[in-house]
Amino acid sequence: EAQVTQNPRYLITVTGKKLTVTCSQNMNHEYMSWYRQDPGLGLRQIYYSMNVEVTDKGDVPEGYKVSRKEKRNFPLILESPSPNQTSLYFCASLGSYNSPLHFGNGTRLTVT
Amino acid sequence: SQQGEEDPQALSIQEGENATMNCSYKTSINNLQWYRQNSGRGLVHLILIRSNEREKHSGRLRVTLDTSKKSSSLLITASRAADTASYFCATGTYKYIFGTGTRLKVLA
Repeated sequence: EAQVTQNPRYLITVTGKKLTVTCSQNMNHEYMSWYRQDPGLGLRQIYYSMNVEVTDKGDVPEGYKVSRKEKRNFPLILESPSPNQTSLYFCASLGSYNSPLHFGNGTRLTVT
Repeated sequence: SQQGEEDPQALSIQEGENATMNCSYKTSINNLQWYRQNSGRGLVHLILIRSNEREKHSGRLRVTLDTSKKSSSLLITASRAADTASYFCATGTYKYIFGTGTRLKVLA
């Protein structure tokens, strides 16, 4: 089954403790991206990647890192999480231009 | 900054009625997409309309696009309780911008 898999589904952590949210897709898509969703603000793009070793900033990249060492994986790294990064995070992939995004089921992160 | 803005923010209708939600955007686009999200879950793609298309249908969904007004509308006909969800429009090629969404509630 074609899918985008995020882990973990829920994560509670404390300020400053590094964490990684994993994202993997099995559709051989070149494009992958990360979003955060906050009430009243919709989805905002954090980072995206056009291909292996090619990443670029979205609208809200501060406090986040990404890497794209393999086509299927695109982890989101928070090196020093802060409470304002408490949010619902989504990973998505895209097969080609003018095609729809495929979303994972989300990761709900709480930073205390 | 948010480019896509949906209107209304919330909509409550009876089962069987039609639901219309609108999206406005600010810059030129190659396509506009509509997504549905059920309560905190992942977004599901509904329909993509290209900039050279004016109308597109998919089952009970009808999407229109007016590039001169930089707006799009999503019509759901004969709504069902299962259509209760949030609906988002999105524009962009690789750097996507999503609107804040319309929360639709269909009452049985």
